[in-house]
Amino acid sequence: EVQLVESGGGLVQPGRSLKLSCAASGFTFSNYYMAWVRQAPKKGLEWVATISTSGSRTYYPDSVKGRFTISRDNAKSSLYLQMNSLKSEDTATYYCARQRRYNNYPHYFDYWGQGVMVTVSS
Amino acid sequence: IQLTQSPSLLSASVGDRVTLSCKGSQNINNYLAWYQQKLGEAPKLLIYNANSLQTGIPSRFSGSGSGTDYTLTISSLQPEDVATYFCYQYNNGLTFGSGTKLEIK
Repeated sequence: EVQLVESGGGLVQPGRSLKLSCAASGFTFSNYYMAWVRQAPKKGLEWVATISTSGSRTYYPDSVKGRFTISRDNAKSSLYLQMNSLKSEDTATYYCARQRRYNNYPHYFDYWGQGVMVTVSS
Repeated sequence: IQLTQSPSLLSASVGDRVTLSCKGSQNINNYLAWYQQKLGEAPKLLIYNANSLQTGIPSRFSGSGSGTDYTLTISSLQPEDVATYFCYQYNNGLTFGSGTKLEIK
């Protein structure tokens, strides 16, 4: 059974940093692209970052590019999201997701974790 | 690519055939997925590549469409289908629609 368990969320002041983690199990982690998707309170979903199987390629939307860094440790079956220069608009539930790919291009998310809440406020 | 979902709120009766719409600002080339999100839960994949049913999803869910216009159909609405449904495109960038909230009348 595929399991994705996020951790590391909490309350952080604007401008500070936070690092999220996701522990994966039930599949061969190193074979899959992985991603982070967020959802602001009572809002829709927003893709935040994607990383290739080896970690050599990463993808971000403009809203977080230069502030967020996605990384992975295949030996530990773990995914990470380093979030710097946090803003109030980054307040959201952050989901770790397994992402399918085609021709090395990220496609849809087929499994999601339960999410971790990040609140950016003074 | 921007995705527009309609309606934003849909109320239907148990047993009804329900249709949700998702329109792209550009051609999506069938690179579209549908997700179901129940209150307090993570999204669940229902449909990928516009019309492929994810393993374990009931056959009353189906997807169709082409070009810029796509549809999620529930053939016979069940009480457990109450949720918000999001479409998502991966043809050009990675973007979600704003969702359709489905209620039981």
